[in-house]
Amino acid sequence: DSGVTQTPKHLITATGQRVTLRCSPRSGDLSVYWYQQSLDQGLQFLIQYYNGEERAKGNILERFSAQQFPDLHSELNLSSLELGDSALYFCASSVGTTTDTQYFGPGTRLTVL
Amino acid sequence: LAKTTQPISMDSYEGQEVNITCSHNNIATNDYITWYQQFPSQGPRFIIQGYKTKVTNEVASLFIPADRKSSTLSLPRVSLSDTAVYYCLVGETYGGSQGNLIFGKGTKLSVKP
Repeated sequence: DSGVTQTPKHLITATGQRVTLRCSPRSGDLSVYWYQQSLDQGLQFLIQYYNGEERAKGNILERFSAQQFPDLHSELNLSSLELGDSALYFCASSVGTTTDTQYFGPGTRLTVL
Repeated sequence: LAKTTQPISMDSYEGQEVNITCSHNNIATNDYITWYQQFPSQGPRFIIQGYKTKVTNEVASLFIPADRKSSTLSLPRVSLSDTAVYYCLVGETYGGSQGNLIFGKGTKLSVKP
């Protein structure tokens, strides 16, 4: 158990819909990272927040957005969902940024029908 | 922009040493290299991290040549429980700030009795 929690575990929805994934970092960690893992693309870094502020951006689509709240939990919002958005979404946290070890949560499996 | 390449799969037997190499030809001066392990239906788990030369911890060693265009993860005396997917990650940094995080496609290691 990494100490990072993600909800829900599974999510099934239809194309065009919007969903919100939630992540609670390990106690004391200020950074939260979001990743997408699909069979054909592997692990793709989406975005990082540090203490409430966006710190780094990866291959995040414009239909996706995220935020980190004052209690440090984070939410990833996915809108206008497409079949290709079906994937595992992981959240990770670290104490700070740059070289700090990331601890990954168990993931949310999103299925878009 | 750094891009990583690793073998898709490797086979080994219990008790052998396994070396997995990742190529990252476009790595920049301040980028760091991290290796993660992932079991099915779980989030990746940190193994080891380094900038250059050799780093060793209780589970693995990481060799990085002077030109830093590749890195090799060494797992001594593997066991069946080491069967997993291993990812190398290049973390881009810009002036000390976090940039993009580039994961390789992963190497599926199968350890046989």
